Amino acid sequence: EAQVTQNPRYLITVTGKKLTVTCSQNMNHEYMSWYRQDPGLGLRQIYYSMNVEVTDKGDVPEGYKVSRKEKRNFPLILESPSPNQTSLYFCASSSDVRVGELFFGEGSRLTVL
Amino acid sequence: AQSVTQPDIHITVSEGASLELRCNYSYGATPYLFWYVQSPGQGLQLLLKYFSGDTLVQGIKGFEAEFKRSQSSFNLRKPSVHWSDAAEYFCAVGGSGYSTLTFGKGTMLLVSP
Repeated sequence: EAQVTQNPRYLITVTGKKLTVTCSQNMNHEYMSWYRQDPGLGLRQIYYSMNVEVTDKGDVPEGYKVSRKEKRNFPLILESPSPNQTSLYFCASSSDVRVGELFFGEGSRLTVL
Repeated sequence: AQSVTQPDIHITVSEGASLELRCNYSYGATPYLFWYVQSPGQGLQLLLKYFSGDTLVQGIKGFEAEFKRSQSSFNLRKPSVHWSDAAEYFCAVGGSGYSTLTFGKGTMLLVSP
């Protein structure tokens, strides 16, 4: 089954404790992206990757890191989480983002205390 | 820069009534336009897309949308709403020269009995 898998789905952590949210897709897509969703703000892009070893900043990259060492994986790293990073995070992938069919994971709800 | 405006944050429709969700975009060239739906606790799913050609496009679940260049709009419609259509709907814009999609802030659809 074609899917984008995120882990963990739910996480409560404390300020400053490094964490990684994993994302994996099984569709051989070149394009992958991370979004955060906040009430009243919609979806905002954090980082995206056009291919292996190619990443670029989205609209809200501060406080986040990413890497793309393999085509299928695109982890999101919060080196020192802060409460303003409490949010719902989505990973998405696409064979060609220009044609717009993004496949989304089910989301990871992160709470930073 | 491209942008998307969804003027309605919430809309309530009676089951069986017709629906129209509004979307206005700003884009310098010919846009690629999309509607996504997010059911509670789920990721986003593509409903329909417009690239070129016929300005009325059909999507899944009985939805359609009409591209009106003169009004910079891409409104989503459904002739008869079902209770299962209650969800959040996102309009998005992209294009051949862009490596990302820009999403609107979403419209929450509530369906009353």
